[in-house]
Amino acid sequence: NAGVTQTPKFQVLKTGQSMTLQCAQDMNHEYMSWYRQDPGMGLRLIHYSVGAGITDQGEVPNGYNVSRSTTEDFPLRLLSAAPSQTSVYFCASSYAAGGPDGRDTGELFFGEGSRLTVL
Amino acid sequence: GQSLEQPSEVTAVEGAIVQINCTYQTSGFYGLSWYQQHDGGAPTFLSYNALDGLEETGRFSSFLSRSDSYGYLLLQELQMKDSASYFCAVRGFYSGAGSYQLTFGKGTKLSVIP
Repeated sequence: NAGVTQTPKFQVLKTGQSMTLQCAQDMNHEYMSWYRQDPGMGLRLIHYSVGAGITDQGEVPNGYNVSRSTTEDFPLRLLSAAPSQTSVYFCASSYAAGGPDGRDTGELFFGEGSRLTVL
Repeated sequence: GQSLEQPSEVTAVEGAIVQINCTYQTSGFYGLSWYQQHDGGAPTFLSYNALDGLEETGRFSSFLSRSDSYGYLLLQELQMKDSASYFCAVRGFYSGAGSYQLTFGKGTKLSVIP
């Protein structure tokens, strides 16, 4: 199993450009999420999904769109990049409440991160 | 909403024991997790407490007191490779699409010195 795969690992954008961060998982996890990490701010939830066709906003959703057409994929779209979106982005997945055996492990599986710079 | 408080930095000597505290406020509580993150890396899961008490996994232990909204991560026999940031994260209830949400603290940077 590859786990959670994010692409690209590094990206530089100009203000106003658009791009999509890709995230895929091969663990059949119902739950997927995107976090951004900024120095001194910890990890902040952007958007999440509890299954195909179901998404919702997290703590800092403005400027980002998501969709979940399959269980495996959860792309994050920046429609018009701004310097404030310079950050490291992490995709994470897990089983929904209760794993395959019903036991809640509280574990999120993270991708390696995507470092985005907006000039 | 949810909020977590943990110290920003801790320094400890190799071979010693260190405790990283975490207090939280949440409208609904399912459990408290701990993650480790080395510089430039991704967070990796360490432990999870849904019930009061101590959970032990090798050199790491995690404690939870739900009545005090408090938990801690205990690292024993510190090694240089334990130098990293440690995040507590509370799984709480959101009224949106689902209840499985993790809110992270801002992290504690642990420096292990010889």
